[in-house]
Amino acid sequence: KQEVTQIPAALSVPEGENLVLNCSFTDSAIYNLQWFRQDPGKGLTSLLLIQSSQREQTSGRLNASLDKSSGRSTLYIAASQPGDSATYLCAVLSNFGNEKLTFGTGTRLTIIP
Amino acid sequence: EAQVTQNPRYLITVTGKKLTVTCSQNMNHEYMSWYRQDPGLGLRQIYYSMNVEVTDKGDVPEGYKVSRKEKRNFPLILESPSPNQTSLYFCASSLGRRTEAFFGQGTRLTVV
Repeated sequence: KQEVTQIPAALSVPEGENLVLNCSFTDSAIYNLQWFRQDPGKGLTSLLLIQSSQREQTSGRLNASLDKSSGRSTLYIAASQPGDSATYLCAVLSNFGNEKLTFGTGTRLTIIP
Repeated sequence: EAQVTQNPRYLITVTGKKLTVTCSQNMNHEYMSWYRQDPGLGLRQIYYSMNVEVTDKGDVPEGYKVSRKEKRNFPLILESPSPNQTSLYFCASSLGRRTEAFFGQGTRLTVV
């Protein structure tokens, strides 16, 4: 059974700093991994999708990496801004089973002005 | 604008009173899913649909029903809600198998 872990559960950093969010998964037989942002009352917003054959994906100040063999992904946020404050979730789509995303419980990020 | 729309956004109901949460997507996506989010448990899949009239159970289907009569709509039905179904519900859609998933804004349900 696939399990996804995100540590730490909460993180506070001063504005302008670069930061890394971590995601680990127990079964490396994944098809892809997706990072989401969750804002209160606004649902989930897809940030980046990494296919299992890829090592990283970039979008603006965000860079996600994937090391499938070690069961790890990181989300790097450059030059953080107060607007980056949100909960960040990672989810994996396994090669087996149905079309189901297995989610971590998220990291709540607070950027201090 | 491409989006997944859920209604209602907030709902308080009483135990046993049947309710339906609607989900609609305007992206012509084949796959649609329902998830519930509970503190400490993350999001868990309730049901999913691969196309019209094709649905299957996810990890936590007990107490829920779904139907997919049209490609764009995937309603979630609680025939007899109970307090343990109090949760934040999300509908998701994706173009095809193993493609990027897009989520709605969520429906916060409270069953008293």
